Formats: sequence, C-alpha cells, structure tokens
Amino acid sequence: DIQMTQSPSTLSASVGDRVTITCRASQSMSSWLAWYQQKPGKAPKLLIYKTSSLESGVPSRFSGSGSGTEFTLTISSLQPDDFATYYCQQYNSYSRNFGQGTKVDIK
Amino acid sequence: EVQLVESGGGLVQPGGSLRLSCAASGFGFSSYEMNWVRQAPGKGLEWVSYISSGGGTIYYADSVKGRFTISRDNAENSLHLQMNSLRAEDTAVYYCARRAKGERPFDLWGQGTLVIVSS
Repeated sequence: DIQMTQSPSTLSASVGDRVTITCRASQSMSSWLAWYQQKPGKAPKLLIYKTSSLESGVPSRFSGSGSGTEFTLTISSLQPDDFATYYCQQYNSYSRNFGQGTKVDIK
Repeated sequence: EVQLVESGGGLVQPGGSLRLSCAASGFGFSSYEMNWVRQAPGKGLEWVSYISSGGGTIYYADSVKGRFTISRDNAENSLHLQMNSLRAEDTAVYYCARRAKGERPFDLWGQGTLVIVSS
C-alpha cells in the first residue's frame, strides 16, 4: 500500500508568490499522481493528473512534476482564488491514497 | 446536468448502521468506475472504497474493511455504501467520486453527505 506524505502542512504566501508543494510516496511509483484543490465546504477539484497534465479549464499557472517517490505542485504566481488546501493522490495502486493536505493561506 | 448527489447521512449511535446513496445524472453511469471518499471534520481526504463499472471488482480501505459494503445499481444510476458497526472515527463528510476515463483520476464529485457517529 503506497502512503503519501505532503509538505509543508501549511504554507503562508502572498499574492504573486511562487509556491511549491511536495508529495512523497512511500515507495517508487509510476506517474499516476494527481493534485486537487479544495476550498472550505466544497468538494475537491482536480487540477493535475498523471503527474504533469493540466486538467481542462485549470489556469496554466498550475504545474506538476516529479517521478519515483517525489512529486511537486507549483503555482507560478499565486492569485487570490488560489488560497485553499491542496491534496496529492496516488492512483498507481488500488488504494487511491491521498496526502494529508497543504493549506495555503495569506501571509 | 452532469452531477452526483449524495444522501443518507445523519446522526447514528456507535455500533449502528447507515446506508448512503449517490444518485448520478447526466452521464453514462454504468460505464464508470466509482469511489467513496470521506473527510473527517477539519481533516484530510481519505479514500474509502472502489467499485468497477460492472460491480465485479471492489476494494476497501483497511479502516472500513469488513464493516462497509459498496454496491451499485446501474439500472437506477445509483451508488451505495452500507456502513455497519459504525465508530466515532467514521464521523465524516462522505463524497462519491467518479473515476474518469483514461488517465484522469476522480473528475466528478458530489457535494457530500455528513455522517455523525455519536451517542
């Protein structure tokens, strides 16, 4: 069973900042890694799939990269709408485990 | 409209049972794999269970194995989660989520239904 660990748990940033969130897998995995954004009281929204593919309609300031056990989500220039919690998810194995989340809040 | 709508949540005593439902509309439900994901208050997302499009393949998280049963009715476009022997730690918002076709994971989520396990 692949476990996912995100860092940091909380990130304080300002509008315009470049933000990077890391997700580490407990074992080497293929590129079946996704990123979601969740706002309070709402369901998660898919941002990135297969490590680096941008979901339709998601702004290009979001990007994903990585391989093996380390994956990253980058927001190139943080916008007011981006303050939210972000989760990685592996769908390499049957247990589609999520990371514990990274909350991006206003500095 | 393409959507998933959960129902069946509520307050239940420890050891009790509850059956959640997820009504699908606006897409060919029978051809999609489906999942349940939960989120305890103030906590992160936890994958709970998976069912294949035809219902022949099912997986559970270790935390619910032996207590929860996922099922689907493709004729009625509905997904279900039978939850037995409920514990306080099962308290959460439960979401149904569609596995997308191809390379994408969960592309469509319901609004969630809250389950509270408390005496």
